[in-house]
Amino acid sequence: QLQLQESGPGLVKPSETLSLTCTVSGGSISSSSYYWGWIRQPPGKGLEWIGSIYYSGSTYYNPSLKSRVTISVDTSKNQFSLKLSSVTAADTAVYYCARNFDYGGNSVFPLDYWGQGTLVTVSS
Amino acid sequence: QSVLTQPPSVSGAPGQRVTISCTGSSSNIGAGYDVHWYQQLPGTAPKLLIYGNSNRPSGVPDRFSGSKSGTSASLAITGLQAEDEADYYCQSYDSSLREVFGGGTKLTVL
Repeated sequence: QLQLQESGPGLVKPSETLSLTCTVSGGSISSSSYYWGWIRQPPGKGLEWIGSIYYSGSTYYNPSLKSRVTISVDTSKNQFSLKLSSVTAADTAVYYCARNFDYGGNSVFPLDYWGQGTLVTVSS
Repeated sequence: QSVLTQPPSVSGAPGQRVTISCTGSSSNIGAGYDVHWYQQLPGTAPKLLIYGNSNRPSGVPDRFSGSKSGTSASLAITGLQAEDEADYYCQSYDSSLREVFGGGTKLTVL
């Protein structure tokens, strides 16, 4: 059974960089049938897509966050990571990593496996 | 404000049928892009409920169904149960924003 687990600091100071890692177990991150994404959810609010990455390193970012986001992959560790720079209180959220699978249709790949999420608070 | 519009809340009594709409535009649903639906129970990660407009992943009860027409999609839940009380999100592709979620709909089982 595939599992994803987010890890990283739960508290980040304003203007600093938020860094999270997602460890994938029970399956390989190096498959052309999937890509891997980050999604966040501010407390009491809806879901926001942050960005996604293929095992090859190709990335896709939310235009509204693109200038501050970097997503990378480490296939040797079966991990992918998120860096969000110059954070403010508005970046306080539960951050999820998830797997997108190729369903063969005409749209974004749906997210079939999710991590449990990790709350990151931006505060001094 | 999301480019995919969902009603903030819907409700229904046990056993009833409810629908949740997801309205987009010509740059997303109306352009022919499929819609996916997720269920988020309180305090948990979202779960894929419907993909490709109307397909259910293994394990999802057939009480849940999806459809799409024009610039909108809908999620229908029949035989409403107490455990269906959750937040529901639609997702699609937008030509400008790429991956987008709807604002979410809170389902209350009366």
